[in-house]
Parts: sequence; structure tokens; C-alpha cells
Amino acid sequence: DQQVKQNSPSLSVQEGRISILNCDYTNSMFDYFLWYKKYPAEGPTFLISISSIKDKNEDGRFTVFLNKSAKHLSLHIVPSQPGDSAVYFCAASAPQGGSEKLVFGKGTKLTVNP
Amino acid sequence: NAGVTQTPKFRILKIGQSMTLQCTQDMNHNYMYWYRQDPGMGLKLIYYSVGAGITDKGEVPNGYNVSRSTTEDFPLRLELAAPSQTSVYFCASSYSIMAGRTGELFFGEGSRLTVL
Repeated sequence: DQQVKQNSPSLSVQEGRISILNCDYTNSMFDYFLWYKKYPAEGPTFLISISSIKDKNEDGRFTVFLNKSAKHLSLHIVPSQPGDSAVYFCAASAPQGGSEKLVFGKGTKLTVNP
Repeated sequence: NAGVTQTPKFRILKIGQSMTLQCTQDMNHNYMYWYRQDPGMGLKLIYYSVGAGITDKGEVPNGYNVSRSTTEDFPLRLELAAPSQTSVYFCASSYSIMAGRTGELFFGEGSRLTVL
């Protein structure tokens, strides 16, 4: 039973346009959501996070939006750059667990075309 | 500036063979983790450790063993390899158990294992 779902395996956008990566979750106990980026042959690296008490968190070109009522979050990248081409993992954690309870989605492969 | 180092990067095993994936971190982190990522799937936690001498099972521990004799090292042992263990394995470490909220979870580059 997937608690964190990324239903789009891949996304292709043009350089300079907006990339929107989506993530849905089923566990209402999740209170922190994170995005990790992974390049080929490398480990995932942390990108941005959001607490459930917020509905938006911004860091440069990256913004994460959280809609708790819909159990949905999205990562916006504006403007998209070819170097953003990677697999993006959505992850979630609940208050009662430490980092060993972090739940990852399947990932969305973003390709930004020059 | 090594961070988390995993060896080997690639390995092909025959069914029934055993091997150890090595993981070393130089950040003096207490917490270490082993994940596996199957094709088209998210990362699944195999085992984790909260400090030297202390390990615990994650979501998918069957077929694996770990030990943590030092803060730096967290090897993952595969006994009697099976095709279902074909995967990419990631070792990670964190300073705090709250890394699931801060994002301060540092991953190695991964070890691709194929069992034939």
C-alpha cells in the first residue's frame, strides 16, 4: 500500500518554462514533506521541504505547495534549466517516527530540453 | 570531503552467493541507513542503526544482515543471494534522527547489484 504516490513517472518541459511535479499521500499523520533530487549514478540529495503548518515554501527557483485537504503537494521549478533534469522523489514523515520512518514515492523523471 | 562512501559500485552475483556491501561515512554521524531501490520504485529501508552496536530492522530486512561495530562503518551482508535482491542499494547517514524532517539525510552514490 503506497502511502506516498507520484503518479507521473516522467515529465518533459522546455528550458525556461515551469516544471510541476506532483505528489499525493494517504496518511493524514504525515506532517513533513520533502523533495529529493537524484542524478544518474549519484545518491539522492535534499532539495526542499515543507511543514504541514504551511501551505507554501520557496527556495530560489523551487517552490513547494501543500494542499492538506486534498493530501497533495507539488514542486514548482521556475524557470526550468537543463541541469534540473533528474529524478525527483517526494518523501513524507510523521511525528511519531524518526528519519527511519521516512516514506518515499517512486519518483518522477524530469527532462528539461534546451 | 568524502561524505558517504559505498563499495562496490557494481556487482554481479550468482544465486546462492553471499557478499557484503561496504558503507563508510566520515561525518561522525550516529545514524546510518541502508535502502534499496527497485526499478520504478521508491526507496525502501532495509536496516538502520542509531549508533555503534545498535541496529534495527526497516521495512524490507529479509535476506540481509547488518552490523555496526564503529561509528563510521555500516556494512550490509547478503546471504544466499536471490534474483529478488537485484536492486540499487543506497547507504545514508544523518546527524539527527530528525533528518526525516530537516532533510539532512546524506546518501552514498549507490551500489548496483544484479543476481543471476
